[in-house]
Amino acid sequence: QQQVKQSPQSLIVQKGGISIINCAYENTAFDYFPWYQQFPGKGPALLIAIRPDVSEKKEGRFTISFNKSAKQFSLHIMDSQPGDSATYFCAATPGSARQLTFGSGTQLTVLP
Amino acid sequence: AAGVIQSPRHLIKEKRETATLKCYPIPRHDTVYWYQQGPGQDPQFLISFYEKMQSDKGSIPDRFSAQQFSDYHSELNMSSLELGDSALYFCASSFNRESTFGSGTRLTVV
Repeated sequence: QQQVKQSPQSLIVQKGGISIINCAYENTAFDYFPWYQQFPGKGPALLIAIRPDVSEKKEGRFTISFNKSAKQFSLHIMDSQPGDSATYFCAATPGSARQLTFGSGTQLTVLP
Repeated sequence: AAGVIQSPRHLIKEKRETATLKCYPIPRHDTVYWYQQGPGQDPQFLISFYEKMQSDKGSIPDRFSAQQFSDYHSELNMSSLELGDSALYFCASSFNRESTFGSGTRLTVV
C-alpha cells in the first residue's frame, strides 16, 4: 500500500502553462516533504522541499503548497518548459528515520 | 561539486550469479541509502547506514547484503540473482535530511 499517494499518473501541459501535481499522506509522523525530478536513466534530483511549519515555499518557477490539516501537498511548475518533461516524485520522511517514502510518480510532458 | 558516484553503470548477470554494486557518497554526508527502482516504479528503500553502522532496513531480500567501509564507501552484494532483480539500483547520501542520488547501476539478470 502506497503510503504517499500521488496524482495524476501522467500530465500533458502546453509550453508556458502551469503544471500541478498532488500528493497526500496518512502518516502524521512525516515531517519533511521533498520533490524529486527524474530523467530517464538518471537518478532522482532534489527540486525543492518543505517542512510542515510553513504552508508554501517557492524557488524560481517551482512552488510547494502544503496543507497540514488535509495532509496534502502539491508541486506547481509555473511557465512550464519542454525541458521540464520528466518524471516527478513527491516523497516524505519522518523525523525518526531518514529514508524517503516516494509517491508513485507523475510523468510530465510539456509540449512545445 | 562532488556527487554520489556509483559503479558500475551497467551490469549484466545470469540467474543465480552474484553481483556487487559500489557507492561513493558525498564527503561529510553521514548517511548512505540504497534504493531499488523497477521499470515505471518509484524507488523502494532497501537499507541505510548512518556513520558506517546499519541504521534501517526496508524491503531488502535476504539474498542481498550491504556494508559501509571505513572510507565511507558502501557496497551492495546480491547473491542467487533472479530475473526479478533486474532494476535500477540507486545509492544516495544525505546531510541534514537532503538526499542526493547517484546516477544508478542498471542491473539486468538474464
